[in-house]
Amino acid sequence: SFKLTQPPSVSVSPGQTASITCSEDKLGARYVSWYQQKPGQSPVLVLYQDRKRPSGISERFSGSNSGNTATLTISGTQAMDEADYFCQAWDSNTGVFGGGTKLTVL
Amino acid sequence: QVQLLQSGADMKKPGASVRVSCKASGYTFMDYHIHWVRQAPGQGLEWMGWINPNSGDTNYAQKFQGRVTMTRATSISTAYMELRRLRSGDTAIYYCARDLGIQLGHDYWGQGTLVTVSS
Repeated sequence: SFKLTQPPSVSVSPGQTASITCSEDKLGARYVSWYQQKPGQSPVLVLYQDRKRPSGISERFSGSNSGNTATLTISGTQAMDEADYFCQAWDSNTGVFGGGTKLTVL
Repeated sequence: QVQLLQSGADMKKPGASVRVSCKASGYTFMDYHIHWVRQAPGQGLEWMGWINPNSGDTNYAQKFQGRVTMTRATSISTAYMELRRLRSGDTAIYYCARDLGIQLGHDYWGQGTLVTVSS
C-alpha cells in the first residue's frame, strides 16, 4: 500500500542546512506538499507541487522530488524553524501524510 | 483575510456521534474544496476526506467509510464533519483545511477542534 516514510528526527545547527526526506516507490511521479507544525498550532503549508512556496513562506524553504524521494531543504536554519514537518502526496483520490519529522535546531 | 473558524472542544462517550463545524470567511466558499484532517495526541496527521462545497460531492478515506459524513451549508459558508460510533481511538484534534487546488495541498487551516472520547 502507498505509504510515505520520513525520518522521525533530524538535527541541525543554527545557520546550517537541514534536509528532510519523504520516500515511497516512484514518488517522483506525484506532487508532494510539505507542512510545518509547531507545538499547539495548526499545520502551515510551506511547499506545494514539490517546490513552490505559498505567499509569505521564506525563501529559505526549498524542495525537490525525484525517483523515490522528495526532499524539503531549509537553508540557514533558524531557531524558529524548529517544528514537526509532514509531507503529503496523493494515492488516486486519497490523501496520505508521512509520519512526520521532528526538526531540532541545536 | 481567509479564515476557517471551527466549533469548540467536545467530549463524547463511546458509541456516540460528534459533529464539528468549520465556518469559512474571506473567500468564496463554493470555489475551494474543504478537507478534514485529524491528529491523535502526540501523533501525526491523518487525512479523512473532502467535500466540494459547490456540488456537495464527497470523497472519504477508506478507513472512515460508513462512519463519516461531510456536509455543507452554503448559505452560511460552513462545512461539517460528522463521525459516528465513536471509540477511544477517535480522540484527536480535528482540523478543516482549504484545498489550494486539486491535490495541491491545504493552504489555510482551522484552529482545530479537540474531540475526546471517554466513558
